[in-house]
Amino acid sequence: ETGVTQTPRHLVMGMTNKKSLKCEQHLGHNAMYWYKQSAKKPLELMFVYSLEERVENNSVPSRFSPECPNSSHLFLHLHTLQPEDSALYLCASSQVGQDTEAFFGQGTRLTVV
Amino acid sequence: GNSVTQMEGPVTLSEEAFLTINCTYTATGYPSLFWYVQYPGEGLQLLLKATKADDKGSNKGFEATYRKETTSFHLEKGSVQVSDSAVYFCALSRYSGGGADGLTFGKGTHLIIQP
Repeated sequence: ETGVTQTPRHLVMGMTNKKSLKCEQHLGHNAMYWYKQSAKKPLELMFVYSLEERVENNSVPSRFSPECPNSSHLFLHLHTLQPEDSALYLCASSQVGQDTEAFFGQGTRLTVV
Repeated sequence: GNSVTQMEGPVTLSEEAFLTINCTYTATGYPSLFWYVQYPGEGLQLLLKATKADDKGSNKGFEATYRKETTSFHLEKGSVQVSDSAVYFCALSRYSGGGADGLTFGKGTHLIIQP
């Protein structure tokens, strides 16, 4: 496989459930990101991991918990979400130290019911 | 801080029309500039990029020129097709010397091409 792969592509969960989103990159990059894309809103950067350390948390609610066990994998653990958390969650990777583009996965469409 | 401003849509054009989507930016120094495209139900794909002033990025008939004097990176295509219907995002990357900063995106422009 090449590029950035996200699973699952679609997820429906209840507000009391616990689920995890997975992202894997095969590009040899050393930075990974979670973005949230909601209808009629700009892309929101949620979390940044550089060299497997979290370097930014843009005031994201604690019901979202990221994990980066190595430079190729990134998870987003979800618990007790709200309906307004329904969105497309995009994972991306890039190479730190350069003004380079990020490569995106196809996203996980999350619906909270 | 960094910011990107682009025209919001939807922009509706007829097939074979000329396309311009405006994008201006605010950033320190000399960022790299990008256009991404998002087709329905998909993630973002890099369309083209430019890394220094006066560079022209091009791909699939789309072009954008990095204009430092006007801090702009407008996207153009001479003859659009129905298959170009998508949401287009202008973005910048400015490595600040620390860790990864992520991209700064505009709000996206929804382009609709009618046959």
